[in-house]
Amino acid sequence: DGGITQSPKYLFRKEGQNVTLSCEQNLNHDAMYWYRQDPGQGLRLIYYSQIVNDFQKGDIAEGYSVSREKKESFPLTVTSAQKNPTAFYLCASRPRAAGELFFGEGSRLTVL
Amino acid sequence: QKEVEQNSGPLSVPEGAIASLNCTYSDRGSQSFFWYRQYSGKSPELIMSIYSNGDKEDGRFTAQLNKASQYVSLLIRDSQPSDSATYLCAVNPLSGSARQLTFGSGTQLTVLP
Repeated sequence: DGGITQSPKYLFRKEGQNVTLSCEQNLNHDAMYWYRQDPGQGLRLIYYSQIVNDFQKGDIAEGYSVSREKKESFPLTVTSAQKNPTAFYLCASRPRAAGELFFGEGSRLTVL
Repeated sequence: QKEVEQNSGPLSVPEGAIASLNCTYSDRGSQSFFWYRQYSGKSPELIMSIYSNGDKEDGRFTAQLNKASQYVSLLIRDSQPSDSATYLCAVNPLSGSARQLTFGSGTQLTVLP
């Protein structure tokens, strides 16, 4: 089945550690996105990529990094520079510029 | 002013009633509009998209768009307890083009049995 797969679903991290969240899609979508959601709040854009080997910062990119080496994959690294990383992270993709977003199931990161 | 605003709720309606969710946006050139449903602890799920003025119906859901007044709404007829969720409005602004959808903060809906 086509879709977006995020892993892991749950992740615990000690302060000072970097962690990488995986996002893979087999929808053949060009554009991919990473959002962060905090309890009771909307979605905030971290990074996005419209084509392979190119990505742009969103509204809250500080403390995060991404890569886009393959069309299917858009991993997100939460670095130790991110001051408050505990959140629900959502990866999404879309088939065209003005089209709808499709989301993965999300990854919940907790910093201990 | 927020780019996309929704009534934060929570909104409670009895089972079988019509639930009305509203969303306003600031970018007059916005071209496409979406409603997502998000159950607690889950990722958003697209339920409606609308691109032109007027109403669009899909089962118990109706999306209404008024570009002159810059609002989009979602009506849920014959509300069911399974409709209890947070509903996110998303707008594709003219500025930024492919950059992103802009999301509202969501309206929490509870349908009471």
